[in-house]
Amino acid sequence: SAVISQKPSRDICQRGTSLTIQCQVDSQVTMMFWYRQQPGQSLTLIATANQGSEATYESGFVIDKFPISRPNLTFSTLTVSNMSPEDSSIYLCSVGTPTNEKLFFGSGTQLSVL
Amino acid sequence: GEDVEQSLFLSVREGDSSVINCTYTDSSSTYLYWYKQEPGAGLQLLTYIFSNMDMKQDQRLTVLLNKKDKHLSLRIADTQTGDSAIYFCAEKGTGRRALTFGSGTRLQVQP
Repeated sequence: SAVISQKPSRDICQRGTSLTIQCQVDSQVTMMFWYRQQPGQSLTLIATANQGSEATYESGFVIDKFPISRPNLTFSTLTVSNMSPEDSSIYLCSVGTPTNEKLFFGSGTQLSVL
Repeated sequence: GEDVEQSLFLSVREGDSSVINCTYTDSSSTYLYWYKQEPGAGLQLLTYIFSNMDMKQDQRLTVLLNKKDKHLSLRIADTQTGDSAIYFCAEKGTGRRALTFGSGTRLQVQP
């Protein structure tokens, strides 16, 4: 399985600011995803991070609010922009095996917006 | 769209078996998964099953799949206090690269 390092593990931010979350994988992976887990809720896919091209966003998520970078096959960032308290969630990076049969998750970033 | 449903809570005594159930709607599901989330942690992949299988066993874990009824279950034998966590069911349909998750079942193991 891939080792996924996600930073920061938690942060408390002020309304209106932005936070960039980093995801580093110990091996090259094709598929990288970003998920959100709102308090007491399940996981919702935000977007697929594509290497060398723009991310593919799910319905309800837009690039201006959640810009994503994927400069290479081992690294991605997710920015939560112009934050509001409704953005308080756990944000999780996820990677797929080459056959995309299995999906592994980072330890998540617990974000609280005041 | 695709939907995955689970009961919210299950309480068992240490040493008993736990059975966590999940139903899904996507008839094109190719793989179905069980993840475990402990407090403050990410998701740990416990096991998964390909849709052409009925059962998969891995040590204390047994996964049963009824494709006709679109029902998946996870049985944990000899449940321990360390098994207390939230268990998520997830599915991946044909042509989709990401997973659809259920709402999670909180398993509480009483000593």
